[in-house]
Amino acid sequence: AQSVSQHNHHVILSEAASLELGCNYSYGGTVNLFWYVQYPGQHLQLLLKYFSGDPLVKGIKGFEAEFIKSKFSFNLRKPSVQWSDTAEYFCAVNAATGGGNKLTFGTGTQLKVEL
Amino acid sequence: GAGVSQTPSNKVTEKGKYVELRCDPISGHTALYWYRQSLGQGPEFLIYFQGTGAADDSGLPNDRFFAVRPEGSVSTLKIQRTERGDSAVYLCASSLTGGGAAGDTQYFGPGTRLTVL
Repeated sequence: AQSVSQHNHHVILSEAASLELGCNYSYGGTVNLFWYVQYPGQHLQLLLKYFSGDPLVKGIKGFEAEFIKSKFSFNLRKPSVQWSDTAEYFCAVNAATGGGNKLTFGTGTQLKVEL
Repeated sequence: GAGVSQTPSNKVTEKGKYVELRCDPISGHTALYWYRQSLGQGPEFLIYFQGTGAADDSGLPNDRFFAVRPEGSVSTLKIQRTERGDSAVYLCASSLTGGGAAGDTQYFGPGTRLTVL
């Protein structure tokens, strides 16, 4: 069975600070990896995804994530956060083959960016 | 193009009642998913449809939960004899092909907030 751990449940940063949110997964096979974001009052939106190829993935709004296979990690980063990045961030994984397409999510990280 | 829509946005019911939650996926998406999100948790998988058939219903918690997608488009999640523990946000997502294919991304709707009193 797949599982996802997000170690930071609440993060508070000042504008222009750098961000790194941790995500580790557990699964024995090849995976697809995702970060979704939920802004206040809005639905889940895809931030970025990794399927194969370059392990450094760039997404929308200046976010990026790096897949490190040996560490089973897919940490999200942004060099300089903005107040508008205040949201909840979810890491998710599904099996690339044979496991169906169901996503397994972490518990989420609530990010608050202060002016 | 329209995204995934869900109705109602909020549903309040009494313990023991029956509820139906509707999902309208993105046009042309063959795969449809239901998830449930409890407070402070990430979404948890319930069921996945490929076309009209349920390809994976391993996440349904018990036989009070049932979902259909009779024409391969709109889906309805049905909950019988609701319990207070069923209170959660029920999310629907759709994707173009399903099956874990590379590039197949799930797009989520706004959810239905179910409250069982």
